[in-house]
Amino acid sequence: GQQLNQSPQSMFIQEGEDVSMNCTSSSIFNTWLWYKQEPGEGPVLLIALYKAGELTSNGRLTAQFGITRKDSFLNISASIPSDVGIYFCAGMGAGTASKLTFGTGTRLQVTL
Amino acid sequence: EAQVTQNPRYLITVTGKKLTVTCSQNMNHEYMSWYRQDPGLGLRQIYYSMNVEVTDKGDVPEGYKVSRKEKRNFPLILESPSPNQTSLYFCASSFLAGAVETQYFGPGTRLLVL
Repeated sequence: GQQLNQSPQSMFIQEGEDVSMNCTSSSIFNTWLWYKQEPGEGPVLLIALYKAGELTSNGRLTAQFGITRKDSFLNISASIPSDVGIYFCAGMGAGTASKLTFGTGTRLQVTL
Repeated sequence: EAQVTQNPRYLITVTGKKLTVTCSQNMNHEYMSWYRQDPGLGLRQIYYSMNVEVTDKGDVPEGYKVSRKEKRNFPLILESPSPNQTSLYFCASSFLAGAVETQYFGPGTRLLVL
């Protein structure tokens, strides 16, 4: 199946720092999604992107749909302790019955 | 409250002993799916269902079965579990296929097969 490469695998940052993570694919996707997973819970959708080049914000989170449709980026500004978790990207292609291909995840730790 | 529930949340079993993980949603969603999550691999789709009596394979269906007899329920069946099926399993539902902004994930079922 398709592979999504997500980097970095993990990040340890201080409160207040900005965070960037990205996802690349060998295939084109029509939709890019970013999720956050907290311990003991399922993933929760943060941002959905539907058009190449689209830049969308959700509070301190900003995500972009790459022009080539093979990549996406997520930035978190001014991180706070509750940002801790695993962040997953996911892509959805056309005509795939909504099958999501997930990235491998970025584990974020925020220290005070 | 809108939610997806899974039972059990934790399960330890032995190789070959049939088990079922239940999934139920209370949002009248048409689309439901099962994923497994493994370290370093992210979430991979096992099976999905577009509606009642309509199911299809995802990326990793081997060793699993599903059924969709009612809209709200989508059980995952392991007829003869093996240790390589030790994993964290998530059920998800959405209003329609592709309606990701209506998607909910369940809390997960952690399975250990000895």
